[in-house]
Amino acid sequence: GDSVTQTEGLVTLTEGLPVMLNCTYQTIYSNPFLFWYVQHLNESPRLLLKSFTDNKRTEHQGFHATLHKSSSSFHLQKSSAQLSDSALYYCALKRVSGSFNKLTFGAGTRLAVCP
Amino acid sequence: EAAVTQSPRNKVAVTGGKVTLSCNQTNNHNNMYWYRQDTGHGLRLIHYSYGAGSTEKGDIPDGYKASRPSQENFSLILELATPSQTSVYFCASGEQGFYEQYFGPGTRLTVL
Repeated sequence: GDSVTQTEGLVTLTEGLPVMLNCTYQTIYSNPFLFWYVQHLNESPRLLLKSFTDNKRTEHQGFHATLHKSSSSFHLQKSSAQLSDSALYYCALKRVSGSFNKLTFGAGTRLAVCP
Repeated sequence: EAAVTQSPRNKVAVTGGKVTLSCNQTNNHNNMYWYRQDTGHGLRLIHYSYGAGSTEKGDIPDGYKASRPSQENFSLILELATPSQTSVYFCASGEQGFYEQYFGPGTRLTVL
């Protein structure tokens, strides 16, 4: 079945350093749809960015990610971490399951940005 | 502005008791979902719905029922609550054909 792997449970960074959160996926679908959701403390998850196109960079709010079907990856990056980026980040994959829109979420990576 | 609300926001229940978590959305979305969030497991799908009157089992439906009496409302029911169901529960809505899901604020449930 479909699955999403986020290898880091916690990433701790100093403000100003680059961010990279890893996401790999498995699916039988030849055209996967990938998403990053962000959840700040005491808030609900919200969509950060999404991609359906192979090898095309997508950007939003300073973050960017590129879907690479060759390596089944969709890593989240940012050039310079800010304190406000501290949050829980989920990578998600649209499932191959008929016409209904369901997502498979990874376990999440908590990003902690320190001064 | 998309709006999904949940009630209650916090709930303490006793083992064996019945718990009902409610969700209301004003997005006019056909699709609604119930997830639970646990550290190390991410967001796991419990039940979902295509529209009023429909409910479908998600990945972890055991111990949970769902009810969708109207387009706007989707409830999650724990008939016999157990401590293993202590978690944070999120409701979400989404428009068919589009994959973004809009989440409610969550309900923190503690079963003693």
